[in-house]
Amino acid sequence: GQNIDQPTEMTATEGAIVQINCTYQTSGFNGLFWYQQHAGEAPTFLSYNVLDGLEEKGRFSSFLSRSKGYSYLLLKELQMKDSASYLCAVMDSNYQLIWGAGTKLIIKP
Amino acid sequence: IAGITQAPTSQILAAGRRMTLRCTQDMRHNAMYWYRQDLGLGLRLIHYSNTAGTTGKGEVPDGYSVSRANTDDFPLTLASAVPSQTSVYFCATTDQSGVGQPQHFGDGTRLSIL
Repeated sequence: GQNIDQPTEMTATEGAIVQINCTYQTSGFNGLFWYQQHAGEAPTFLSYNVLDGLEEKGRFSSFLSRSKGYSYLLLKELQMKDSASYLCAVMDSNYQLIWGAGTKLIIKP
Repeated sequence: IAGITQAPTSQILAAGRRMTLRCTQDMRHNAMYWYRQDLGLGLRLIHYSNTAGTTGKGEVPDGYSVSRANTDDFPLTLASAVPSQTSVYFCATTDQSGVGQPQHFGDGTRLSIL
């Protein structure tokens, strides 16, 4: 079966760095997406990785290792507004997104 | 402002009633999707449409139907609602089905079936 695993919840301090991991087992791989979802709102796109390595976009970076079925989202200089759920999703061989349950990130002052 | 409009925002519905959730986009994206999101679970695909006139079943299609008569509209119908269909429903679009294109989401419909 297809499976995406992420930690359920993480806590970090304002101004710090946090790494949210995602491991996956899917039928085929056509890229991995990270989304941010604030409570009661829609998911919004953060990043896309299809090749191994690190993609940097401002305070956010995303890493992919296809051989290990592993990705992480790195958030630097954390701000209170970064409190949200972070969703990992893999595009499978049918070009459908398989979603993880999301990681709720709590930022403390 | 261009985007995806879902209606209603929220609804309380008696079990056994028929309900249609509306999704309209003005971005001319060819692919559209319906997901449900439940606490502790990832987004689960209900139905999708890669282009106007075609639809396909996702992971959890039972009890739901869709149509795609034109590019802009993709309604989701619950023929006879059951309490297990209580969920938050999101409509999403991409400008082409395939590799690398992010999905854009509407604001969701919160549906409670009593």
